This record gives sequence, structure tokens and C-alpha cells, in this order.
Amino acid sequence: GQSLEQPSEVTAVEGAIVQINCTYQTSGFYGLSWYQQHDGGAPTFLSYNALDGLEETGRFSSFLSRSDSYGYLLLQELQMKDSASYFCAVGFDYGQNFVFGPGTRLSVLP
Amino acid sequence: GAVVSQHPSWVICKSGTSVKIECRSLDFQATTMFWYRQFPKQSLMLMATSNEGSKATYEQGVEKDKFLINHASLTLSTLTVTSAHPEDSSFYICSAPREPDRDSNQPQHFGDGTRLSIL
Repeated sequence: GQSLEQPSEVTAVEGAIVQINCTYQTSGFYGLSWYQQHDGGAPTFLSYNALDGLEETGRFSSFLSRSDSYGYLLLQELQMKDSASYFCAVGFDYGQNFVFGPGTRLSVLP
Repeated sequence: GAVVSQHPSWVICKSGTSVKIECRSLDFQATTMFWYRQFPKQSLMLMATSNEGSKATYEQGVEKDKFLINHASLTLSTLTVTSAHPEDSSFYICSAPREPDRDSNQPQHFGDGTRLSIL
């Protein structure tokens, strides 16, 4: 079967740096994506890693190690608006059949 | 701007009603689209894969007669919740894969979701 693990909750203060980890056990792997979802909204794409290494997009970075079946999302200079749920998702083929992780609820405190 | 359009965004209806949700890819063709369901404070769960020109592929535990999927063209997939009941109330989201290009490496584009409330 397919399974992904993420911490359920993370709390940090404004300006801090937070790392959200994702480990996966899947029968195939095409890439690891990260999505942000605010309450009541649809997922918003943040980052995608198909190859090992770090992808940087502004305040957000994502890392992948395929040999370790592990990735993380790094959020820098946290802002209140970053309070949301963050999901990692593994794609299995180019059709990108996704399986989502359980999500991490990030609370940013003033 | 949005590359996948989903309508309606919110539906409230009586039990026993059938509800149709549309998902359109706006500037690209999608031979495959995916339908997800999300309950409050839970993750997105894949319901089915919509295939243009052929039958949809349903995930285990999803009733194909309850959730009818039609991929009528290369830009349109519809999900019809037939004879909806309160337990079908959820957030339904469609997505379409798109080949990464110079503007974005995003592999999957999501609609804005449809919040379905059955009274």
C-alpha cells in the first residue's frame, strides 16, 4: 500500500523558521509535491521535487532524498498568514496519480 | 490565473437530489482528471480517475453508481453525486495533470473545490 507520514501539528512564532517533514512508503514514485490549504479553501501549490536536492521558491524551500524516501518543506520568515495546513503528496507516474499525506497544521503565533 | 475551473463552488440541496460538479481545464487538454473528497480536518482522498473516452477508474470503497463520472471532452470532466444524502456532504476537488513548462513546474492543477451540503 501507499502511506505518507507528516507531523500533525506544528506551532511557531512570527519570523521563525519551520521544517515540516514527510516520509513515504509507496510502490512507485514520480515526484513529491507540497500544498498549502487554508480553512475552507482548495490546495495551493507550493513546490515540487522530482529529483534529489533543494528547490527554493521565495520563503519556501523543499527538499527530497529519494534514497531515504524523505522530504521536507522549509518555511522561513514565518508570517501570520502562513497559518494553514500543509500537505505533502506523492505522484506515481507521469499521469500524476497523487496520494496525499495526512497534513500538518501550522499555527503561527505573534 | 486559474488553469482549472470548477463549478459550482457551493451547493446546498435537499436529500435525494442529484448534484453535478464540473471541472474544466482552461488552456490545456487533460486526458486524465482526478476527483478528490475531503472531510473536515482530514486529508484529500482520491475518489476516482476520470479518463477521456473511457470509463473512470474508481478507488476501493467508492461507489461508481453513486458517483458518476463523465469525461466528455479533453477539457471537461463532470462528477454527479446521485441521490445525495447528508453523509455525502463534503468538499469535492478536481485536479488535472499538466506537463511542467518554463513558467511552472507544478505537475497537478487543482480546481477551487465544491462544498456540498446535503440537508
